[in-house]
Amino acid sequence: DAKTTQPPSMDCAEGRAANLPCNHSTISGNEYVYWYRQIHSQGPQYIIHGLKNNETNEMASLIITEDRKSSTLILPHATLRDTAVYYCIVRVRNYGGSQGNLIFGKGTKLSVKP
Amino acid sequence: DGGITQSPKYLFRKEGQNVTLSCEQNLNHDAMYWYRQDPGQGLRLIYYSQIVNDFQKGDIAEGYSVSREKKESFPLTVTSAQKNPTAFYLCASSAGYQPQHFGDGTRLSIL
Repeated sequence: DAKTTQPPSMDCAEGRAANLPCNHSTISGNEYVYWYRQIHSQGPQYIIHGLKNNETNEMASLIITEDRKSSTLILPHATLRDTAVYYCIVRVRNYGGSQGNLIFGKGTKLSVKP
Repeated sequence: DGGITQSPKYLFRKEGQNVTLSCEQNLNHDAMYWYRQDPGQGLRLIYYSQIVNDFQKGDIAEGYSVSREKKESFPLTVTSAQKNPTAFYLCASSAGYQPQHFGDGTRLSIL
């Protein structure tokens, strides 16, 4: 699986958009970009994933560059409850348990401030 | 509500003792996973199971054992052979191509 690079920490003002970058310059053509977040002492929560097109759901938007070497997770109106560690992961979208190797790095610690 | 339930939330182990962590899911997912997380670190895969009565070692399986006798249950035993068991243990499940979903974890400490 390709490795990812994320800044260790970021701050964001409450109500503003939080833009979390991720570099994945060695991503392969069949690898997806997944985003999870982990609030302190809880299990990771799935946010969004995509292959090459931009994606949006009720939680966030995912913008993937045309060359797929980087992406940005956007939380449009950050709240205090969005304070968490955000993980960017790239991997093949295998069927079933063979996708077991979700390789979580250290992620980005996002602090949303009043 | 459907989800993944891990118990207990906190667990203490004495030296030389085996302990079993429970993971139950009512999502009808075929695949289940166990991860370990150390302070300030990402997750590392211990074991995973794609189907009942079958499981595979992950990256750090030494000192751990699992069973998958029922679709909804995937217990993890931390054996006395695991010399550094203090960690946060996370169970996850998935179906088909869908992303993994996680439980809220069990924090294991050594007395």
